[in-house]
Amino acid sequence: QITLKESGPTLVKPTQTLTLTCTFSGFSLSKSGVGVGWIRQPPGKALEWLTVIYWDDDKRYSPSLKSRLTITKDTSKNQVVLTMTNMDPVDTATYYCTHLLYSSTWYFNYWGQGTLVTVSS
Amino acid sequence: SYELTQPPSVSVFPGQTASITCSGDKLGDRYACWYQQKPGQSPVLVIYQDNKRPSGIPERFSGSNSGNTATLTISGTQAMDEADYYCQAWDSTINYVFGTGTKVTVL
Repeated sequence: QITLKESGPTLVKPTQTLTLTCTFSGFSLSKSGVGVGWIRQPPGKALEWLTVIYWDDDKRYSPSLKSRLTITKDTSKNQVVLTMTNMDPVDTATYYCTHLLYSSTWYFNYWGQGTLVTVSS
Repeated sequence: SYELTQPPSVSVFPGQTASITCSGDKLGDRYACWYQQKPGQSPVLVIYQDNKRPSGIPERFSGSNSGNTATLTISGTQAMDEADYYCQAWDSTINYVFGTGTKVTVL
């Protein structure tokens, strides 16, 4: 059974750096064809892909946010960490951690419960 | 940047068929997948690789993808299918792109 859970602050101030941790179980991020990604959703709006890290430590970032994002993994702890710098109120959103699988294409197989992050002074 | 466009809303009577489209340049050259999101819940994968259903997804959900349009079809729509639906595509050039989302209302 695959589970993912996001943890981190629920409130950050503008210009601060957000750090979110995804703790997962039921799969290994060392296995070929597996990845962990982050997706966010502002209140009442659509899903937006942020970043992904693959089993081989390859990383991809959303072009529009690339300069502000960093993703890392700790395979021994079954954790993936997302860092987003220079937070702004427009970054207020629910942030989801996801399990990715490859089968001719990559897709988001399982999702965490999400964590709402509010950016406000 | 690559964009996927969906109709904002689709309405359907119980038992009827709902079709949700997702349009993007040469989308048919890529694989599409679909996610269902009910209010207050995380998205759930309902279709991947254009037309494959994950374990546990009812057979009434089906998908197709050709040309510039991918389509999610819900046959015999039930009240429990009322939700937001998002398409998504991937390839090495566009990375991951989500559609604009469609709210399905069961009348």
